[in-house]
Amino acid sequence: DTAVSQTPKYLVTQMGNDKSIKCEQNLGHDTMYWYKQDSKKFLKIMFSYNNKELIINETVPNRFSPKSPDKAHLNLHINSLELGDSAVYFCASSRTRQETQYFGPGTRLLVL
Amino acid sequence: EDKVVQSPLSLVVHEGDTVTLNCSYEVTNFRSLLWYKQEKKAPTFLFMLTSSGIEKKSGRLSSILDKKELFSILNITATQTGDSAVYLCAVEGQGGKLIFGQGTELSVKP
Repeated sequence: DTAVSQTPKYLVTQMGNDKSIKCEQNLGHDTMYWYKQDSKKFLKIMFSYNNKELIINETVPNRFSPKSPDKAHLNLHINSLELGDSAVYFCASSRTRQETQYFGPGTRLLVL
Repeated sequence: EDKVVQSPLSLVVHEGDTVTLNCSYEVTNFRSLLWYKQEKKAPTFLFMLTSSGIEKKSGRLSSILDKKELFSILNITATQTGDSAVYLCAVEGQGGKLIFGQGTELSVKP
């Protein structure tokens, strides 16, 4: 009965590759988010979707493209991976934009 | 620019001690302040504060918000080794955007 799940948990890939991370929530929440946590443990929001509509798009490279096929899913596609993309990526969801966000377990991405 | 600053950055205490973690913020259109605990995995939610002066309590943890002075504190009494974690403060601004502080790493020694 996982609330917010992400796949894969770990991703090791070469520079220049394209990869996707999937996120699903079974909480019936309207809003989903992607965060990046770097090596210094600093969390930063990347994107937020409300009912499949993009509402927050922070200053991230165009190589990052979120896709929300439905309210329960928010996937993150990354093109032309770079070394600096190595981080832990967390998906989160909340019932509405004003309510508590619940985080997934994270995807640890390592770009070699 | 919106920012959230936590102090101290790290703290080492012994079991049974009481600790106070600090979070100050400058955020446009403040909506709420949240505290999270992060061990070796995803953050887990502790408290959400929206009103000044009202203490929220959960077991040995409590937190309070001062919207005039723009800060919050998280207190942990009678600390245990299981309290060792990074404690994250986040402030929700306009549009549901969460701005996180850099975290306080707490280590509780037996």
